[in-house]
Amino acid sequence: DAGITQSPRHKVTETGTPVTLRCHQTENHRYMYWYRQDPGHGLRLIHYSYGVKDTDKGEVSDGYSVSRSKTEDFLLTLESATSSQTSVYFCAISAGAGEQPQHFGDGTRLSIL
Amino acid sequence: LAKTTQPISMDSYEGQEVNITCSHNNIATNDYITWYQQFPSQGPRFIIQGYKTKVTNEVASLFIPADRKSSTLSLPRVSLSDTAVYYCLVVTALSGGYNKLIFGAGTRLAVHP
Repeated sequence: DAGITQSPRHKVTETGTPVTLRCHQTENHRYMYWYRQDPGHGLRLIHYSYGVKDTDKGEVSDGYSVSRSKTEDFLLTLESATSSQTSVYFCAISAGAGEQPQHFGDGTRLSIL
Repeated sequence: LAKTTQPISMDSYEGQEVNITCSHNNIATNDYITWYQQFPSQGPRFIIQGYKTKVTNEVASLFIPADRKSSTLSLPRVSLSDTAVYYCLVVTALSGGYNKLIFGAGTRLAVHP
């Protein structure tokens, strides 16, 4: 399996608090992605990164920010968590575009009360 | 971006071959087809991908007819551990170099003893 570690694996927090999720990879892949998975919506892209300090928005980026200061780490931050951000968050990596598949971590289950 | 349609659920028995067909009528010339498997509490796992004709790896085969408007994932001799959700995706490489993945509802495969 691709060397992807997400932390924490589970988190419960309160509305209005900041939350940061971490994705760490050992594959030295250029691309990293953050998705959320919700019943009835499948997986939806939040943000992605195509290199150190290079990031862009996905389809559901409102309320989220990201940072990538090192190739191996991609952070997702909820500046002020809301109950609608309760979800399972997955990080993915890929070596490139084209025929390079994305490989996913095992997710972070985030509950915002 | 091409949308996919696949059965919501399927049932099978251990040792049988399972074929899951996915339709993608408006697939574009440069798109290719990718299949993922997802177990509960885990991230999607890449199974196989292809552009046309037949692709085979150690776990599955992918059949794509000449018109590319559908594809069939074939799982030989399934076991109980193949019980999972299977996603068919049409992948488009976008400017910026990343691949946009659109996950639908997937096919929930249940393998029975």
